[in-house]
Amino acid sequence: EIVLTQSPGTLSLSPGERATLSCRASQSVISGHLAWYQQKPGQAPRLLIYATSNRATGIPDRFSGSGSGTDFILTISRLEPADFAVYYCQQYGSSPLTFGQGTKLEIK
Amino acid sequence: EVQLVESGGGLVQPGGSLRLSCAASGFTVSNYGMFWVRQPPGKGPEWVSGINYSGGSIFYADSVKGRFTISRDGSKNTLYLQMNNLRAEDTARYYCAKAYSSGFYSYFENWGQGTPVTVSS
Repeated sequence: EIVLTQSPGTLSLSPGERATLSCRASQSVISGHLAWYQQKPGQAPRLLIYATSNRATGIPDRFSGSGSGTDFILTISRLEPADFAVYYCQQYGSSPLTFGQGTKLEIK
Repeated sequence: EVQLVESGGGLVQPGGSLRLSCAASGFTVSNYGMFWVRQPPGKGPEWVSGINYSGGSIFYADSVKGRFTISRDGSKNTLYLQMNNLRAEDTARYYCAKAYSSGFYSYFENWGQGTPVTVSS
């Protein structure tokens, strides 16, 4: 099983700042099959990024993903109030499909 | 527009059973991989089970293997999760999710709103 470890656990930033969220895998993620989700309270997770760096439909270009192998990054270039939420990474290259434990992005 | 609507959750005693349903619209469930994902209160999501487009590939998390069964009804365009011998640690919100393709190895492109399951005496 691939274990995904996200850091930091909580990130405190102000609107307009840049956010960098990390997701580290216990072994290489096959074919870069790594996705990112955003979840707000009382809502289902929403797909942001798939295949490491591809934005899902309707996701603004201030969200970007990068990485390879075992290290992946989600960057939010200029934080807006709606971006403060919990973010999860997920690998889908091997079974079982696994999620990271999440990074909470909070307003400073 | 893709829509997924889960139902069937509720309060059940340990050892009991529930059957969750996920009614899909805007696409045909038999053409896509489909999944159940759960999220315990205050925790992150956990993949539970998945089925590919043909039903020829079905996978379960070790934590539910032998107790849960995923299935679908093409005529009703609905996905199901039969949950038997429920345990307290199965308490979670259960989401239905659609793959981006016909296969199992996929991200979760669309999610329902979830249905809550509480296992308690």
